[in-house]
Amino acid sequence: DVVMTQFPDSLAVSLGETTTVNCRSSRTISYSSINKNYLAWYQQKQGQPPKLLISWGSTRESGVPDRFSGSGSGTEFALTITNLQPEDVAVYFCQQYYTTPQTFGQGTRLQIK
Amino acid sequence: QVVLQESGPGLVKPLETLSLKCKISGASISDNNWWSWVRQSPVKGLEWIGKIFHTGNSNYNPSLKSRATISVDTSKNEFSLRLKSVTAADTAVYYCVRDQGLISYMDIWGEGTRVTVSS
Repeated sequence: DVVMTQFPDSLAVSLGETTTVNCRSSRTISYSSINKNYLAWYQQKQGQPPKLLISWGSTRESGVPDRFSGSGSGTEFALTITNLQPEDVAVYFCQQYYTTPQTFGQGTRLQIK
Repeated sequence: QVVLQESGPGLVKPLETLSLKCKISGASISDNNWWSWVRQSPVKGLEWIGKIFHTGNSNYNPSLKSRATISVDTSKNEFSLRLKSVTAADTAVYYCVRDQGLISYMDIWGEGTRVTVSS
């Protein structure tokens, strides 16, 4: 299985600041020949199911604020949140769908400082 | 608006079979999507169980050692999960999810249903 490792496990950031959640895969999850990254980012608020934010490494889902952006390729990926808002408090997960079984990172908890 | 709703017992005895259903509203199970089950527990985190296409083609996580079976009922626009020989390790919140493809991301999640395995 492809192991997804996120870091840090938790973050405390001030309102209005920028923060980055990192995700590393144990093997490549990108097809460079077709420029595809098989990685998604999800946001999970307390008591709710995960919500898709970003697919293909950097494609924002409809309705997701442009404060959220995804980047990376190969084995190293990042989710950057700019201008942090109170509603961004959540746990963020990365997920690879390059190969079966699809696997998730352990999650990064984001709090307001 | 696509809505997925899980249903099933919240308590299952050890070694028995866990059975859950997922009702789809606002979309047809016969659309060009796959339909997955994912579970979440404090110990294992998020774990993909398996997925199915409306034709019955399915794909499972090998870690479940063939205990899981996913099926579709196109007449009821729903799909189901059966997990046999459960143990306490199967205690989790179970989500049904729309998957954009066989090799793709998951875009619509149900609210989830908590299942506890205990005698």
